[in-house]
Amino acid sequence: EAQVTQNPRYLITVTGKKLTVTCSQNMNHEYMSWYRQDPGLGLRQIYYSMNVEVTDKGDVPEGYKVSRKEKRNFPLILESPSPNQTSLYFCAVSGLAENEQFFGPGTRLTVL
Amino acid sequence: GENVEQHPSTLSVQEGDSAVIKCTYSDSASNYFPWYKQELGKRPQLIIDIRSNVGEKKDQRIAVTLNKTAKHFSLHITETQPEDSAVYFCAASKTPHSILFGNEKLTFGTGTRLTIIP
Repeated sequence: EAQVTQNPRYLITVTGKKLTVTCSQNMNHEYMSWYRQDPGLGLRQIYYSMNVEVTDKGDVPEGYKVSRKEKRNFPLILESPSPNQTSLYFCAVSGLAENEQFFGPGTRLTVL
Repeated sequence: GENVEQHPSTLSVQEGDSAVIKCTYSDSASNYFPWYKQELGKRPQLIIDIRSNVGEKKDQRIAVTLNKTAKHFSLHITETQPEDSAVYFCAASKTPHSILFGNEKLTFGTGTRLTIIP
């Protein structure tokens, strides 16, 4: 079964405490993205990766880092989280030869 | 970059009536326009998409129309049912993905919360 998984699903943390949200896929797809979803703002892309070791900024990259050391994993790193990063985060995956993006289940992050 | 505007932000319709959600885009080079449905507490899922070489596409009760000249596209849901209640997102991009063409990311609209009144 094709799957995109994210961990953790829920996280409450404090300002400045580094955290990582993992994203993993078993679809062997090249393209992976991170989005954040905020009320009234829709889905905004944070970072994306076209393949291993190929990453680039999306619309709202400030305060985030990513890495793509393996094809299946695309972790999102918040080095020093701040309250304005409280949001619902989605990882998404698609193949280079197709357009549909498959979303993970989401991670609800609260930064106090 | 691309800018996608979506209207209305909320929409309530009686069960059985039709619902229409409209989006406009700014980049005339965009050629792929998907619609995603997000049920409460769930992930967004693709429900229908259209490419710029087609003016209309239908899938049962759902249809999408595209006007390239005016740079707008719309989602039409007929004979609405309670399970159609959700948030709907339109999006636009230049695809298919290609390393040769760099960033061809999907730009989403801000979403429409559709409520079907029984």
